[in-house]
Amino acid sequence: DAGITQSPRHKVTETGTPVTLRCHQTENHRYMYWYRQDPGHGLRLIHYSYGVKDTDKGEVSDGYSVSRSKTEDFLLTLESATSSQTSVYFCAILPDSRNYGYTFGSGTRLTVV
Amino acid sequence: AQTVTQSQPEMSVQEAETVTLSCTYDTSENNYYLFWYKQPPSRQMILVIRQEAYKQQNATENRFSVNFQKAAKSFSLKISDSQLGDTAMYFCAFMKRIQGAQKLVFGQGTRLTINP
Repeated sequence: DAGITQSPRHKVTETGTPVTLRCHQTENHRYMYWYRQDPGHGLRLIHYSYGVKDTDKGEVSDGYSVSRSKTEDFLLTLESATSSQTSVYFCAILPDSRNYGYTFGSGTRLTVV
Repeated sequence: AQTVTQSQPEMSVQEAETVTLSCTYDTSENNYYLFWYKQPPSRQMILVIRQEAYKQQNATENRFSVNFQKAAKSFSLKISDSQLGDTAMYFCAFMKRIQGAQKLVFGQGTRLTINP
């Protein structure tokens, strides 16, 4: 299995503060993704990356930014957290055998109070 | 745009029974992949089964099988001899098969409870 880790696993933050979530992979896969999971909505794509410094928006990108300065790291930043961004965030990679779908990280539960 | 719909928010069955989870999707593409993911209370997303749209034969993985109806755009998951460990959220997902970045589109999920 591709090694993919997310940090932190849990975080509580206050409204208006910046927050950065980290996704780290160990196998140099090109494609990385950030999703958020909310009840009734399943998982929705926030941003994705197709290489170092190459990123694009997903369907729910407002209020989020991403960066990928190294192949192995994909960062998701909430510039000024809001209560509507309380969610579980998943990072995923697309292995070279892409027909088998994504490999997911273990998720980050973020609570904005 | 592709959409995926799971019309059963919650289901509950007794252990050892067979249960079927429904999924429909909307796409104009001809080549694509469909997946079922399982999310137990641990929150980990686990691939259960996948189906390639160009294959007519329904995929099977041990107790898990799918009924893929391409014309009807339906992709249901059947769990046979259900076990307590099958209790989880189940997500249906669609992936478009193209060069470059491939995106998974998820349904809303079905919470399945297996009762002893």
